[in-house]
Amino acid sequence: GESVGLHLPTLSVQEGDNSIINCAYSNSASDYFIWYKQESGKGPQFIIDIRSNMDKRQGQRVTVLLNKTVKHLSLQIAATQPGDSAVYFCAEGGGSYIPTFGRGTSLIVHP
Amino acid sequence: KAGVTQTPRYLIKTRGQQVTLSCSPISGHRSVSWYQQTPGQGLQFLFEYFSETQRNKGNFPGRFSGRQFSNSRSEMNVSTLELGDSALYLCASSLGGLAGSTDTQYFGPGTRLTVL
Repeated sequence: GESVGLHLPTLSVQEGDNSIINCAYSNSASDYFIWYKQESGKGPQFIIDIRSNMDKRQGQRVTVLLNKTVKHLSLQIAATQPGDSAVYFCAEGGGSYIPTFGRGTSLIVHP
Repeated sequence: KAGVTQTPRYLIKTRGQQVTLSCSPISGHRSVSWYQQTPGQGLQFLFEYFSETQRNKGNFPGRFSGRQFSNSRSEMNVSTLELGDSALYLCASSLGGLAGSTDTQYFGPGTRLTVL
């Protein structure tokens, strides 16, 4: 199917490495942040979220870090696997029912 | 629970035709949002429906419309198709409850529309 990764920043890593995907958000009033993973030919899949009253939240092999001072969000994936290859989107929300999505980062994992 | 489902998965239409896409949200979710995704423009918000009412609207022409039924299922319609309407159309559902609060949205697999 048509790739959603065209024209996107790309991060290439080796299998087993840790990956860090960054996202700068725009609205200082945003209080809710979400990371999505989108594989080729599929819809975005929820990975992890974090509220603004937290700096860090951990899931299974993933950690989200929030730095409100510089309006920066990052997603860390431990021991990256080929199945992690996808486009990753951050989204910010707060004060509106609808989140604002970033452009996405394409993660390529080499075996 | 079953996830968000969208039908059809693939569509091929010609310029000038119209198309209707369907979305069934996760059971219990009352908000349904529609997005257009293209490589050049990324994920763009079309509109959101809650309790059969359009609650939010993106910046798309009037050729794009939608509706929501009492069971929260939603349809979107695109009339007078243009080549530039070729895209992946994504539906997302959420609980949609608290005012001034953003809910987690859960996406369907999308409908791939090709306009020839």
